[in-house]
Amino acid sequence: QSVLTQPPSVSGTPGQGVIISCSGGKTNIETNNVHWYQHVPGTAPRVLIYNNGRRPSGVPDRFSGSKSGTSASLAISGLQSEDEADYYCASWDDGLNGGVFGTGTKVTVL
Amino acid sequence: EVHLVESGGGLVQPGGSLRLSCAASGFNFDDYAMHWVRQSPGKGLEWVSTITWKSGNIGYADSVKGRFTISRDNARDSLYLQMNSLRPEDTALYYCAKDKLGVSTIWLDSWGPGTRVTVSS
Repeated sequence: QSVLTQPPSVSGTPGQGVIISCSGGKTNIETNNVHWYQHVPGTAPRVLIYNNGRRPSGVPDRFSGSKSGTSASLAISGLQSEDEADYYCASWDDGLNGGVFGTGTKVTVL
Repeated sequence: EVHLVESGGGLVQPGGSLRLSCAASGFNFDDYAMHWVRQSPGKGLEWVSTITWKSGNIGYADSVKGRFTISRDNARDSLYLQMNSLRPEDTALYYCAKDKLGVSTIWLDSWGPGTRVTVSS
């Protein structure tokens, strides 16, 4: 049972924007950085956003992240078919002394 | 280029043991913390364990604490996960992942393809 809560699914048509929320607490999101991962089934996950809102090289600027208090969010603008995947937030939890992933959100492009 | 390859997965009976290995290449292995992350069938990613660059700090998820042991051999550029007292709920694809830093942050910038563990009688 994850301590980071995400909506199970979000969807949009090509070109639309979607936002995925990630709700945590004082010992994880409020205190530590949040990272976002994209996971296409059958492949290895890849980091999409690190340290709350920074993009690794090679990640399109359609992806953006933010954090406020005990919550974080990932925004995808201009949805494309290749964005269909599962998305996870993650953070270090000082109370658990371990990493925690969000419950995961499936993005569907209609 | 960073390359991580897991091995050691397989079918094991409940109560049994397995040792997973992760061979690393393409970076200075001993400069970075490493993690194991798993995904059970139909479920999300679950962080399992971490070990810092010089093995000074080790952490485990509550679900595996006392049963799994993480270790690393920096001379061999290898990460290990000794899994004892395995349960059906440990059935999963196990990923080896590299942290961006020497301390554990769960900012995982490289992942292996995973090795599958099935616990069943």
